[in-house]
Amino acid sequence: DAKTTQPPSMDCAEGRAANLPCNHSTISGNEYVYWYRQIHSQGPQYIIHGLKNNETNEMASLIITEDRKSSTLILPHATLRDTAVYYCIVLTEGGSEKLVFGKGTKLTVNP
Amino acid sequence: GAGVSQTPSNKVTEKGKYVELRCDPISGHTALYWYRQSLGQGPEFLIYFQGTGAADDSGLPNDRFFAVRPEGSVSTLKIQRTERGDSAVYLCASSAGGLYNEQFFGPGTRLTVL
Repeated sequence: DAKTTQPPSMDCAEGRAANLPCNHSTISGNEYVYWYRQIHSQGPQYIIHGLKNNETNEMASLIITEDRKSSTLILPHATLRDTAVYYCIVLTEGGSEKLVFGKGTKLTVNP
Repeated sequence: GAGVSQTPSNKVTEKGKYVELRCDPISGHTALYWYRQSLGQGPEFLIYFQGTGAADDSGLPNDRFFAVRPEGSVSTLKIQRTERGDSAVYLCASSAGGLYNEQFFGPGTRLTVL
């Protein structure tokens, strides 16, 4: 699975959009981008995933660049409860389902 | 409905002892995953089951670690001759299986080896 790179930390004001970047420059055509987050003292929580098209659900939007080498997770109106570590993970279709977590991005939403 | 549950929530043991950690997945989920998380690090994959069989055990650090899922539901992670370095939060997750199904995580078991 392709390696991902994320900034270690980011801050965001409550009510504003949080844009979390992820670099996966070695991604292959059959590899999907997944995002999970982990709120303090809880297990990780799935957010969203995509292959090449932009995706949106009730939690977030995922924007994948045309060359697929990077992506951005967007929380449109961040709340204090969105403070968490966000992990960008690449999974290969037909490969192992194991999630390989890096260090993620610690997002702090400030009042 | 009920989520993934793990017991015990906390376990303190002495170096050299044997421990068992239990995971009850969401009913009907065919896939079950074990991870462990050390302080300040992201979760680290250990093993996952599809049904009763281990589909990928590449993350088990050594032969002191073993996991079973005899009936394709509940799973037990077994650690022999515990070492202080085994201290971590052990996380279990389950899913309907397959790449496109999200993994639902339990609250974890905090293992402390003195």
